Amino acid sequence: AQSVTQLGSHVSVSEGALVLLRCNYSSSVPPYLFWYVQYPNQGLQLLLKYTSAATLVKGINGFEAEFKKSETSFHLTKPSAHMSDAAEYFCAVSDSGTYKYIFGTGTRLKVLA
Amino acid sequence: SQTIHQWPATLVQPVGSPLSLECTVEGTSNPNLYWYRQAAGRGLQLLFYSVGIGQISSEVPQNLSASRPQDRQFILSSKKLLLSDSGFYLCAWSEGVDSNQPQHFGDGTRLSIL
Repeated sequence: AQSVTQLGSHVSVSEGALVLLRCNYSSSVPPYLFWYVQYPNQGLQLLLKYTSAATLVKGINGFEAEFKKSETSFHLTKPSAHMSDAAEYFCAVSDSGTYKYIFGTGTRLKVLA
Repeated sequence: SQTIHQWPATLVQPVGSPLSLECTVEGTSNPNLYWYRQAAGRGLQLLFYSVGIGQISSEVPQNLSASRPQDRQFILSSKKLLLSDSGFYLCAWSEGVDSNQPQHFGDGTRLSIL
């Protein structure tokens, strides 16, 4: 069965610093991967998705993620954090052969002034 | 464009009372529909999903049930709520054909059981 691991349930960065949120997946076939952001008391909003077209995927709000098959990773980055980036971030992989996603447990990002 | 509506936004219910949460999608046909529960600090738990009218798959045994009476309507129900049913409930939809299509989420319902 596929799984997703997000290392670090809480990450703090200073405003203007690099944001790096880690996601590793386990899959025997090339997966479809997604990053979502959730602000308090709201639903999840799609940041970006990887569907094998390009290994570096650019998303909304200046975020991007790189698919590395050799490392089974899909880490999310942003060069310069803004206060508005404070939220919870979820990595997800589509479960091949089904219509289901497997979600990571989430990483809460805190941006320090 | 497609939109998803979930209501109510918040709900406070006593233990043992019934529940009905509704989700509707506009602007698409034959979507896949999903109900998730998000407990504090525990990520998303898939409760039910549906690939068509009357087709419901249950992921975990629980006190809840789901129905899809119309193509773009998904309802989450319970006959008797438990304290453990408290949480943030999210409805989502995706395009029906490809598993590489992203899921799109509603704004959620905060359910508190007293």
